[in-house]
Amino acid sequence: GAVVSQHPSRVICKSGTSVKIECRSLDFQATTMFWYRQFPKQSLMLMATSNEGSKATYEQGVEKDKFLINHASLTLSTLTVTSAHPEDSSFYICSARVRQGSYGYTFGSGTRLTVV
Amino acid sequence: DQQVKQNSPSLSVQEGRISILNCDYTNSMFDYFLWYKKYPAEGPTFLISISSIKDKNEDGRFTVFLNKSAKHLSLHIVPSQPGDSAVYFCAASKPGTASKLTFGTGTRLQVTL
Repeated sequence: GAVVSQHPSRVICKSGTSVKIECRSLDFQATTMFWYRQFPKQSLMLMATSNEGSKATYEQGVEKDKFLINHASLTLSTLTVTSAHPEDSSFYICSARVRQGSYGYTFGSGTRLTVV
Repeated sequence: DQQVKQNSPSLSVQEGRISILNCDYTNSMFDYFLWYKKYPAEGPTFLISISSIKDKNEDGRFTVFLNKSAKHLSLHIVPSQPGDSAVYFCAASKPGTASKLTFGTGTRLQVTL
């Protein structure tokens, strides 16, 4: 089946530094990748939608300059948390639609970011 | 504004019995609904979905019911197994929105022996 590989699974960084999270579609081409974050005991909140070769579309309230999304190829999308602060600590998950016209979404395994 | 709600944060069911997880939505534009299962520190796993043109969809032990007039859907798991213990999210999608999913808050299901 379609697999999205997400790395790293867990990262601890110091305040002020930047962290890059990668999501790769292993056996299919992901023209669209969705990035979510989840706070403890809360829902998955969509942060942004990235489309290959174009700028990402951010949800209301999500800082574009803080959460940089790059979708340079059909198999790779990255989320960079810039100048991270403790309040950015969260669980970040990517998701891709397996093929156009279907609702077959597949999710990465998530990244637990802790900013100290 | 939580457009998809799961009002029960947790549910405990005995092994072999039926588990019923509920989900309510407020936006009548949603036309596709999905259920995901999630373990801690892992991404969600797709379980079952239903289009708004249907009122029931069944896949093995999982059945999803949709009541459009009540804006309510439910996931039935029967018989429940200990391996079903996880957090279950319902999600909804509107047409023409690049297939963005709006997730509910999740219900933690505990299947006991």
